[in-house]
Amino acid sequence: QSVLTQSPSVSAAPGQKVTISCSGSSSNIGNNYVSWYQQLPGTAPKLLIYENNKRPSGIPDRFSGSKSGTSATLGITGLQTGDEADYYCGTWDSSLSAHWVFGGGTKLTVL
Amino acid sequence: QVQLQESGPGLVKPSETLSLTCTVSGGSISSDNYFWGWIRQPPGKGLESIGSLFYVGTTYYNPSLKSRVTISVDTSKNQFSLNLSSLTAADTAVYYCARLPRHWLDSTWTYYFDYWGQGTLVTVST
Repeated sequence: QSVLTQSPSVSAAPGQKVTISCSGSSSNIGNNYVSWYQQLPGTAPKLLIYENNKRPSGIPDRFSGSKSGTSATLGITGLQTGDEADYYCGTWDSSLSAHWVFGGGTKLTVL
Repeated sequence: QVQLQESGPGLVKPSETLSLTCTVSGGSISSDNYFWGWIRQPPGKGLESIGSLFYVGTTYYNPSLKSRVTISVDTSKNQFSLNLSSLTAADTAVYYCARLPRHWLDSTWTYYFDYWGQGTLVTVST
């Protein structure tokens, strides 16, 4: 059971837009910055979004992030077959035992 | 370009202790700007943070693993290590090491994983 909650799967057609949500609490998302990771099959995760809505160099602006209260959202527009992957949110948890937490992951299928 | 590389045994026996090392190249582990972390992923499952470390020795562990985990640093070799004791089959996973930049932003520290190792599969079995 992950500390951050994500829907297990989402699907959309090529060219369409999709959003992936991540729900937490005041000890994590509510008071810390969120990052998002893309994991293609058989590869290490890759940073997509950091500090809620910033994109590292080389990440296309089709990928966007936002945060409101204790939830965060990853948006992907102009879906491509190469976007088919697992997506994870993550943030610091500032509870008594401070540590990093991930969401359970969302499998994106591009139909 | 920073690179991280995990090394260690691919097969360990139940009840034994797993020792993995992450070698960092292209940058210094002794920087005030970064934490260093271990993450694992059981086959077919999601990511789980194990813990993270600052080069002076400060550590933060996942509470669910804290009693079995030690993360340490060797600044002379630009490496950090993971020890996980009392292994069971449930510890079978791909283990990743990664870098966490830290920034002071809007009155709080921000962290995220920017560079990852390729991962190493560890199987716990007799």
